[in-house]
Amino acid sequence: GAVVSQHPSRVICKSGTSVKIECRSLDFQATTMFWYRQFPKQSLMLMATSNEGSKATYEQGVEKDKFLINHASLTLSTLTVTSAHPEDSSFYICSAFRPGFATYEQYFGPGTRLTVT
Amino acid sequence: AQSVTQPDIHITVSEGASLELRCNYSYGATPYLFWYVQSPGQGLQLLLKYFSGDTLVQGIKGFEAEFKRSQSSFNLRKPSVHWSDAAEYFCAVGAVDGNKLVFGAGTILRVKS
Repeated sequence: GAVVSQHPSRVICKSGTSVKIECRSLDFQATTMFWYRQFPKQSLMLMATSNEGSKATYEQGVEKDKFLINHASLTLSTLTVTSAHPEDSSFYICSAFRPGFATYEQYFGPGTRLTVT
Repeated sequence: AQSVTQPDIHITVSEGASLELRCNYSYGATPYLFWYVQSPGQGLQLLLKYFSGDTLVQGIKGFEAEFKRSQSSFNLRKPSVHWSDAAEYFCAVGAVDGNKLVFGAGTILRVKS
């Protein structure tokens, strides 16, 4: 149990376009999902916390207008990178928190590799 | 604020040898501690966690970790490493707010045959 999927696994887009990444909890309802960004050979940087039915909470320094997060249902959160630029190329990972289970324990998706050309 | 230090960026061990990956945390109260493993291009898989109770925690794939409050440490160990254990390992602590996790910088494990 506690499986989280991400789609797509890889995406290449042209500079100036937008790209949407989906994060789904497959076998549980996730009231909270997290979006991370990971640069090569670095740790995970938390970008934002996504709560179902409310606005996402962004970490300091993350542009909320550039990284749009929507958590419209208990099993789906989306991250849209708007007007993407090459510096947005990165590995994006989502995770889901399963309420009623272990505190802080997050289940991670497999990640999405974004390349902006 | 909470923080996690993984002092070793890279570690190389021979297959069959024992392994210890170090993790030190900064947190005022009893921490919630985790070890995750990440294979290249993949998400994170939970190896084990500590919330309370027995300070020696058993995880998947033969890993264990020991919580030592006096040293603010939560080191990961495995008695005999397999080539498939080569990956990056992250230690994390639960933050005060919002069920967030604070991650260490990670340790890349290489296994030589």
